[in-house]
Amino acid sequence: KAGVTQTPRYLIKTRGQQVTLSCSPISGHRSVSWYQQTPGQGLQFLFEYFSETQRNKGNFPGRFSGRQFSNSRSEMNVSTLELGDSALYLCASRGGTWADTQYFGPGTRLTVL
Amino acid sequence: AQKVTQAQTEISVVEKEDVTLDCVYETRDTTYYLFWYKQPPSGELVFLIRRNSFDEQNEISGRYSWNFQKSTSSFNFTITASQVVDSAVYFCALSEARPGNTPLVFGKGTRLSVIA
Repeated sequence: KAGVTQTPRYLIKTRGQQVTLSCSPISGHRSVSWYQQTPGQGLQFLFEYFSETQRNKGNFPGRFSGRQFSNSRSEMNVSTLELGDSALYLCASRGGTWADTQYFGPGTRLTVL
Repeated sequence: AQKVTQAQTEISVVEKEDVTLDCVYETRDTTYYLFWYKQPPSGELVFLIRRNSFDEQNEISGRYSWNFQKSTSSFNFTITASQVVDSAVYFCALSEARPGNTPLVFGKGTRLSVIA
């Protein structure tokens, strides 16, 4: 089976812009989670989607949003970018039940100038 | 609240040495899952192992072994005869074992450098 794929792998944006990141889960997986990784805060949970519905949300401002499509692919959007949004954004997929293990993609490295 | 502590920020060993990565966790839940992930320089988090809180049996997989002790809330990871390819950042993580809000809570990670 192919693993979790994320596009693009690298992005450079300027403050105030918005950005959309994409994640394709492992075939058959119905749940997609997003995490932000920064040197200072480490790995932090953003949100999780299951069957096109947001199931959980971490403690991030409303500028961070996401959605999931009927084929389980997910997108994450960050509006009005700030310098502090520079991070590695990791997507993880799992089968769909809360007991399943999460498998991660290679991440999208976002740099905000 | 859940918390995972990896006290070792960086470890450097010479190839073929054994190394143990420590992980201490806090949770009020009686049932939970513990994980170890490896993050090589490429950035992807690679799943290594998952343990259920009700299963304290230690596990060995090749050169990797894990020691889970509920009494001390620890889930340590040992690499035997380390190799250069083991160089990476290793994360210990915890999640609740119940429906609903079950994101992974990660430690800060331990950067392991294996020198040839």
